[in-house]
Amino acid sequence: QSALTQPRSVSGSPGQSVTISCTGTSSDIGTYNYLSWYQQHPGKAPKLMIYDVTKRPSGVPDRFSGSKSGNAASLTISGLQAEDEADYYCCSYAGSDIYALFGGGTKLTVL
Amino acid sequence: QEQLVESGGGVVQPGRSLRLSCAASQFIFTTYAMHWVRQAPGKGLEWVAAVSFDGSSETYVDSVKGRFTISRDNSKNTLYLQMNSLRPEETGVYFCARTTPRSVAVFDLWGLGTMVTVSS
Repeated sequence: QSALTQPRSVSGSPGQSVTISCTGTSSDIGTYNYLSWYQQHPGKAPKLMIYDVTKRPSGVPDRFSGSKSGNAASLTISGLQAEDEADYYCCSYAGSDIYALFGGGTKLTVL
Repeated sequence: QEQLVESGGGVVQPGRSLRLSCAASQFIFTTYAMHWVRQAPGKGLEWVAAVSFDGSSETYVDSVKGRFTISRDNSKNTLYLQMNSLRPEETGVYFCARTTPRSVAVFDLWGLGTMVTVSS
């Protein structure tokens, strides 16, 4: 199976909202509600931001929200802040053999 | 606090072997499935391998099957990745990560990674 598809980059100004898309297939996103999002700053470890499509771990601001429709998912960040500038990766469970598929990553630039 | 620390990375020639380790601390290691995820320079994340909480089952991405072996020593709170017949395209940072038992494929704790360079 191929990696999930994400836009290479998105941008927004402080205070604005941005949405990052993640497209898969009926074998991964379309079948399972095990879709998560990770934030990665340069040289750092990824950080879990959203899991099970819409849930936020404790400590993650409610400016971050997730959704899913069919074979695609989205991460929306509202009230953009400078510290949100990072790479974002989606990840879907893909069955017991493949286990997890990541997206190619989206670079968020806060203008 | 809960922590994962990888070690064992380095420069290795194509076709040679390397063994990575990941030391876990401040959480009950035996209750979590553990994984290796890698990231080639400037590229995205790729899940590589998983081992169940008790080490009884393993899963691998197709490209490493037969060459990589994931294992764990629960008495030492340590995860391993034995990598044989390494290829240049496997150069990258290797992260260990755990998945929460409350869901599926939710990587809720990551290490900082260890760099593996496969080059002659």
